[in-house]
Amino acid sequence: EAGVVQSPRYKIIEKKQPVAFWCNPISGHNTLYWYLQNLGQGPELLIRYENEEAVDDSQLPKDRFSAERLKGVDSTLKIQPAELGDSAVYLCASSLGAGELFFGEGSRLTVL
Amino acid sequence: GENVEQHPSTLSVQEGDSAVIKCTYSDSASNYFPWYKQELGKRPQLIIDIRSNVGEKKDQRIAVTLNKTAKHFSLHITETQPEDSAVYFCAASRSGGSNYKLTFGKGTLLTVNP
Repeated sequence: EAGVVQSPRYKIIEKKQPVAFWCNPISGHNTLYWYLQNLGQGPELLIRYENEEAVDDSQLPKDRFSAERLKGVDSTLKIQPAELGDSAVYLCASSLGAGELFFGEGSRLTVL
Repeated sequence: GENVEQHPSTLSVQEGDSAVIKCTYSDSASNYFPWYKQELGKRPQLIIDIRSNVGEKKDQRIAVTLNKTAKHFSLHITETQPEDSAVYFCAASRSGGSNYKLTFGKGTLLTVNP
């Protein structure tokens, strides 16, 4: 069975440019999470979806970050415009309800 | 909100020795404590978890202990092997034992020297 798939794995952009990350969760997993992982830190939750509904986006910086999960499967996380401090790994995870989290390999963003 | 402190930040052991990583949490309502292993450039993966109604749990060379009174929990790895080298994260959640609101520690880089 395929795990959580994320793309791109690596992205380098200049500040003020937009960037988007894509996530395909494990088939059948209704819960999808986006986490931010800074270097030397643990993952921090940005947003959680139950099917297509964002049920916890309290940690998402809404001035520049947005996310969507239109059909309750794939999800996209966007940053516009990117800032230097956004350089990090963006992890997507999925679970069946409140069960075990399965993470993707992450998308490493470098903002120059 | 919940705050999880993890120590040490780095740990180096000789192959065959034991390794212990400790975490403390602040929210007494937290009731679910998973541990994740993240190899360099790889995804975090769950290795063991414990719920607040249990004091200890073992899975082969890995064990986790929980002291609810002191609000701390620990990961114990015995007979360490080079493939145990990775970053280990503890986490805590109060959401009825679910993974919905996990708060992670900052991680411990474990190096097992052959």
